[in-house]
Amino acid sequence: QKEVEQNSGPLSVPEGAIASLNCTYSDRGSQSFFWYRQYSGKSPELIMFIYSNGDKEDGRFTAQLNKASQYVSLLIRDSQPSDSATYLCAVQGGKLIFGQGTELSVKP
Amino acid sequence: EAQVTQNPRYLITVTGKKLTVTCSQNMNHEYMSWYRQDPGLGLRQIYYSMNVEVTDKGDVPEGYKVSRKEKRNFPLILESPSPNQTSLYFCASSTGGDEKLFFGSGTQLSVL
Repeated sequence: QKEVEQNSGPLSVPEGAIASLNCTYSDRGSQSFFWYRQYSGKSPELIMFIYSNGDKEDGRFTAQLNKASQYVSLLIRDSQPSDSATYLCAVQGGKLIFGQGTELSVKP
Repeated sequence: EAQVTQNPRYLITVTGKKLTVTCSQNMNHEYMSWYRQDPGLGLRQIYYSMNVEVTDKGDVPEGYKVSRKEKRNFPLILESPSPNQTSLYFCASSTGGDEKLFFGSGTQLSVL
């Protein structure tokens, strides 16, 4: 079992829809959770982080954390073509571990 | 502008020819790290440094060396590159630990 698992996608959504990206992790002691966005040919960029159970909203982005079920998700509301990228989930327990990333494609 | 600067952006070399990838940050960050990114394997940590003169192995350190003589610089050294080190490399820094990383623009390395 991978330590941090994401569906590789591609996930395709129409413009204006809600994109839902999911991530599960194996280390129950994990404390910090991050979402990075990586455009094709570019470096990862931190877009969200969450430490506590529940939802955290920042503009069109919402991170959701459920430690009991060991999953963290990222919702992107009103998806735009400019949101097309690979989204990396990263989980920190004793060390930071990245998932393989989910490719998101937003179609106009 | 706050940034992590890596050079070169692209590098093609041959097996066994020593090379150095430079990394410099201007944010006074204490923590710096090197990752490699491979299709299907995601980002994997090579080495990290908590502060000047303090370095430690990550998950895939074999075949790599690092040094941290100054706070701003953290070069990655491949003493004898091999084809399995062909990858996309990223340097990253943060204020403390591996949280909230700032990444450099990446170095695409091909070892023939």
